[in-house]
Amino acid sequence: LAKTTQPISMDSYEGQEVNITCSHNNIATNDYITWYQQFPSQGPRFIIQGYKTKVTNEVASLFIPADRKSSTLSLPRVSLSDTAVYYCLVGPMDSSYKLIFGSGTRLLVRP
Amino acid sequence: GAGVSQTPSNKVTEKGKYVELRCDPISGHTALYWYRQSLGQGPEFLIYFQGTGAADDSGLPNDRFFAVRPEGSVSTLKIQRTERGDSAVYLCASSLGGQGNTGELFFGEGSRLTVL
Repeated sequence: LAKTTQPISMDSYEGQEVNITCSHNNIATNDYITWYQQFPSQGPRFIIQGYKTKVTNEVASLFIPADRKSSTLSLPRVSLSDTAVYYCLVGPMDSSYKLIFGSGTRLLVRP
Repeated sequence: GAGVSQTPSNKVTEKGKYVELRCDPISGHTALYWYRQSLGQGPEFLIYFQGTGAADDSGLPNDRFFAVRPEGSVSTLKIQRTERGDSAVYLCASSLGGQGNTGELFFGEGSRLTVL
């Protein structure tokens, strides 16, 4: 499974756009990119998933360049409640889908 | 309930004791996963079930750890002769699995195990 590298922590302020970039140089052809969010004392929660170009949902956008060696999670106009750990994961979406988590990015949103 | 349910939410035990942690997945989800999360770290994969069988148990740290899912629904993670290093939050997740797999895992809130 491809290894991912992302910043350990990021700070932002309410109302700003936050972009978290993840590096996955060894991504395989059949790998998908998935992001999860985790609040303290809760299990991780799926945010968004993509294979190439751009994916947008009601929570976030995911930008994937043509070479797919990195991806950027974009959170528009963050609020205090977006303070959490964000995990970038890469792996095949087959019937034995197994997520391998790294240490994630701790996002702190300040007033 | 609609989500993944884990019991107990907290368990304190003494070194050397036996512990069971239970996971009740979302109805209809054929895939079930156990993860372990230590403070400040990401979840660490332990074992994956597809139906009743353990399809991948490569993450179990040693033979003190064992998990079952006898009827393809509820799963129990069993830890024998607990050690202080086993203290962590044990997370369970389920997904549609098989041909219905969307890659989205649904996690429970975890069982916090403390070994004194």
